[in-house]
Amino acid sequence: GAGVSQSPRYKVAKRGQDVALRCDPISGHVSLFWYQQALGQGPEFLTYFQNEAQLDKSGLPSDRFFAERPEGSVSTLKIQRTQQEDSAVYLCASSLVLTGGTEAFFGQGTRLTVV
Amino acid sequence: KQEVTQIPAALSVPEGENLVLNCSFTDSAIYNLQWFRQDPGKGLTSLLLIQSSQREQTSGRLNASLDKSSGRSTLYIAASQPGDSATYLCAVANQAGTALIFGKGTTLSVSS
Repeated sequence: GAGVSQSPRYKVAKRGQDVALRCDPISGHVSLFWYQQALGQGPEFLTYFQNEAQLDKSGLPSDRFFAERPEGSVSTLKIQRTQQEDSAVYLCASSLVLTGGTEAFFGQGTRLTVV
Repeated sequence: KQEVTQIPAALSVPEGENLVLNCSFTDSAIYNLQWFRQDPGKGLTSLLLIQSSQREQTSGRLNASLDKSSGRSTLYIAASQPGDSATYLCAVANQAGTALIFGKGTTLSVSS
């Protein structure tokens, strides 16, 4: 596709439910990033993939958060046993090489509401 | 730990004004700096990317400057239009290039 695609756009989960958020990066982009954006805040880094390798997961807030990119293209962010504080917009971004070299392109995000 | 601050948090101007948005960062060891635009309920759109070795970038009515030694960047918008109304986010790439650290943004409102 022409841009980064995320699905679903909106997700309502009951507290304790597991959720999976999908990201389709721009074809050929090596780098993929996940960010969490709370209301009124800037995006906060969660994790970074270079192809299928997860090189940085320092931003994942707890072991309930897990991300994968098994074939170096589509990525899934999984949140287990969701809590109310997980409510946020989850943004995915991709870039052709490392962020340092080229600009990052963002998807429209998945708005997660935990009730 | 890198911290990015944007001032002001919100700004309202009449159409046609030139304006400046400010961004400061605490650690000058950055890979690059990007300015993004975010419309309500939407993702981020990249506006300008400045490599750490560069001083400024221009695109249309937008001009961004970078002073790495003082930890500052400015986004200059010339002849503002109502369509410029959005939240503008500044982000610096860490030295490894593996993450962007964002400020909280400046919400701009341009009235006609």
